[in-house]
Amino acid sequence: KAGVTQTPRYLIKTRGQQVTLSCSPISGHRSVSWYQQTPGQGLQFLFEYFSETQRNKGNFPGRFSGRQFSNSRSEMNVSTLELGDSALYLCASSSGTGTTEAFFGQGTRLTVV
Amino acid sequence: EDQVTQSPEALRLQEGESSSLNCSYTVSGLRGLFWYRQDPGKGPEFLFTLYSAGEEKEKERLKATLTKKESFLHITAPKPEDSATYLCAVKGSGTYKYIFGTGTRLKVLA
Repeated sequence: KAGVTQTPRYLIKTRGQQVTLSCSPISGHRSVSWYQQTPGQGLQFLFEYFSETQRNKGNFPGRFSGRQFSNSRSEMNVSTLELGDSALYLCASSSGTGTTEAFFGQGTRLTVV
Repeated sequence: EDQVTQSPEALRLQEGESSSLNCSYTVSGLRGLFWYRQDPGKGPEFLFTLYSAGEEKEKERLKATLTKKESFLHITAPKPEDSATYLCAVKGSGTYKYIFGTGTRLKVLA
């Protein structure tokens, strides 16, 4: 059974640019969550999608957005990049029902210069 | 507000020296407590889910326990390959997000 796939693995962008990250969840999983991980803050929740609907949103500025497609694949977009957006962005896949655990992808390492 | 605190932040053990990692939590209606292992530059790897106080789960040298306010991850006779950051997360009622602690960085010396 294939795991969670995130692309690309690494990105280098310039301040002011925008970026789109992609996540393909485990087959059959309908929930995709996104997290930002930095050394000082740990994993910070960005948002969660279930069946193309955003169910939860974290405390991030509107520059961070996401969407989910009918095949459960998800994308997140960051516009007007800032240096502080440099982080490991992680996608987590779960069934989205009950209390099941989430499974993570390997992440996308974003560096803003 | 749901919150997770892990201690210690970092831990160095000699190979074979058993110890425990702590995860204290405050959550409205615990629906699940999760332990993950994370290696540098990689995504967290799922280890255990605990649902109610008194529950225990084991996997190789790891054993996770749960009370109403905290969880422990006991590591018995650790090996260098157990070196990683161990993350604890909770999920409360009325929310679909997992709240993570900042983790314990474990280093096991040969």
